[in-house]
Amino acid sequence: AQKITQTQPGMFVQEKEAVTLDCTYDTSDQSYGLFWYKQPSSGEMIFLIYQGSYDEQNATEGRYSLNFQKARKSANLVISASQLGDSAMYFCAMREETGFQKLVFGTGTRLLVSP
Amino acid sequence: ETGVTQTPRHLVMGMTNKKSLKCEQHLGHNAMYWYKQSAKKPLELMFVYNFKEQTENNSVPSRFSPECPNSSHLFLHLHTLQPEDSALYLCASSQDKASGGNEQFFGPGTRLTVL
Repeated sequence: AQKITQTQPGMFVQEKEAVTLDCTYDTSDQSYGLFWYKQPSSGEMIFLIYQGSYDEQNATEGRYSLNFQKARKSANLVISASQLGDSAMYFCAMREETGFQKLVFGTGTRLLVSP
Repeated sequence: ETGVTQTPRHLVMGMTNKKSLKCEQHLGHNAMYWYKQSAKKPLELMFVYNFKEQTENNSVPSRFSPECPNSSHLFLHLHTLQPEDSALYLCASSQDKASGGNEQFFGPGTRLTVL
């Protein structure tokens, strides 16, 4: 069975600094997708970035980049130049590529950005 | 309205009440999902609908009854709930992978409290 592990319940970072949120995964599938979502206090889950298991390059979306290390089964999210609005819960998720698009989520990391 | 909308945003109900949660997506997607988010637990997938057909029921108790009348609307009918059912209920939609879909788009959620 697929499993996502986020070992950091909370992280603190100062504004304008970079921060890395950890995510490790476990799967026996050869083909899978990895996602990061942001959940502000309003509750809505906001898609940030996607990495396919066969993608050779790390995904980047603006200030977000995904440090994908397939052999280590890790997919860490790097946020550069943190902003106060980045304070939120961050969830790593995996999608199995066979069958339908079922997402499995980790327990999340709460990020607090201070001025 | 754009994206995925959910109503009501907040709901308080007694254990003997019957209520319904509504989700509507304005993205032209063909798959819709219900998730449950309890405190300090990962998001749990409840139901998946693909082209109005239920393709996944993640061992959800029968007191939760989904309905998908068309590809744009998804309901979750609630009856005789328990206090442990109090949670944030999130709806999501996506294009199925065969059609080139990737990430799931989430609504703002309904915060449910069962007294």
